[in-house]
Amino acid sequence: QKEVEQNSGPLSVPEGAIASLNCTYSDRGSQSFFWYRQYSGKSPELIMFIYSNGDKEDGRFTAQLNKASQYVSLLIRDSQPSDSATYLCAVRNNAGNMLTFGGGTRLMVKP
Amino acid sequence: NAGVTQTPKFRILKIGQSMTLQCTQDMNHNYMYWYRQDPGMGLKLIYYSVGAGITDKGEVPNGYNVSRSTTEDFPLRLELAAPSQTSVYFCASSILAGGRQETQYFGPGTRLLVL
Repeated sequence: QKEVEQNSGPLSVPEGAIASLNCTYSDRGSQSFFWYRQYSGKSPELIMFIYSNGDKEDGRFTAQLNKASQYVSLLIRDSQPSDSATYLCAVRNNAGNMLTFGGGTRLMVKP
Repeated sequence: NAGVTQTPKFRILKIGQSMTLQCTQDMNHNYMYWYRQDPGMGLKLIYYSVGAGITDKGEVPNGYNVSRSTTEDFPLRLELAAPSQTSVYFCASSILAGGRQETQYFGPGTRLLVL
């Protein structure tokens, strides 16, 4: 069983809509969660991270954690065509020295 | 700061050849990582290092070797290249601060094709 799972997509949303991306993880003790954005042919770049103590909002992006169900979500409000990319979820291990990445969800925002 | 730099950007290898992928960071980060990313897939950890002289295996270490003689450099060595090693390789670094490891910063990647 994969430790971090994401729906590969593509997830298609119209411009201006809310895009909702989800990620499930298997290690119940995980406490740090990361969302990276990766444009085609480029390297991943961090969008935001949250710890197990709460959700986080940063501009149009909100990361939410559901510990009971072991999933993390990323909401993108007022989606723009420039948000079209692959979004990678990552979970830090308990030792704090490694991230495990999901396979990524491809998001397409249509004008 | 240049951040994390990787060389070369692209390389074609023949089966059985060897090469070293270079990675350098100028942020004085103690943690460094090597990942591979196959087409349409996520990142898989090959090796990582928590400081100079200390390295450890990740999820997919077979066919690779690393060394960490300085804080700045973390080269990845491929011995006897195989078609299965065709991938994009990313180097990343991060720092341990306040008891927590902060985010990983990625280099631009090296595209490797083994024929």
